[in-house]
Amino acid sequence: GDSVTQMEGPVTLSEEAFLTINCTYTATGYPSLFWYVQYPGEGLQLLLKATKADDKGSNKGFEATYRKETTSFHLEKGSVQVSDSAVYFCALSDPPGFQKLVFGTGTRLLVSP
Amino acid sequence: NAGVTQTPKFRILKIGQSMTLQCTQDMNHNYMYWYRQDPGMGLKLIYYSVGAGITDKGEVPNGYNVSRSTTEDFPLRLELAAPSQTSVYFCASSYGTSGGTDTQYFGPGTRLTVL
Repeated sequence: GDSVTQMEGPVTLSEEAFLTINCTYTATGYPSLFWYVQYPGEGLQLLLKATKADDKGSNKGFEATYRKETTSFHLEKGSVQVSDSAVYFCALSDPPGFQKLVFGTGTRLLVSP
Repeated sequence: NAGVTQTPKFRILKIGQSMTLQCTQDMNHNYMYWYRQDPGMGLKLIYYSVGAGITDKGEVPNGYNVSRSTTEDFPLRLELAAPSQTSVYFCASSYGTSGGTDTQYFGPGTRLTVL
């Protein structure tokens, strides 16, 4: 079945450091790929998405490129802020059919001043 | 526009008790979902609905029931609470566009403890 694998956390960085959170996937079809973020005490919210190979999703300084050849969708940010501290979830949906999301286990990011 | 709202925020149940987790969305979304999030794990789909009157099982439906009588509401029922149902429960909704590109909008969650 479909699955998403993320790097273990927590990832601890100083402010303005470069961030990479690795995500790889296994899918039977041609999935859409997502990054969701969960701030403390809140529900998940979409950070960015990509729907086909070589697409780059971007939002709030975060970027991820859909790499079909390596089945990866790594999240990057050039300069993190304390306010980026959160849990980041990689997810996929595998059409055709229903909009089921398959989530990775999440990676906690801690940014210190 | 409140988005997706869930009640209660917290609840402690005794083994064998029943309860209903409420979920309401005001975005006129067709699709609604219930997930559970266990510590250190990703979200698992419990049930989903593609429209009023239509529901189906997700990955972990045992011990739960749902109904969808209106577009806005999608309550989740626990009939006989067990410690294994201790989790954080998230409701979500989406338009239901084709091609798997939908954005799901999540509520703030309900933290449930079964003792």
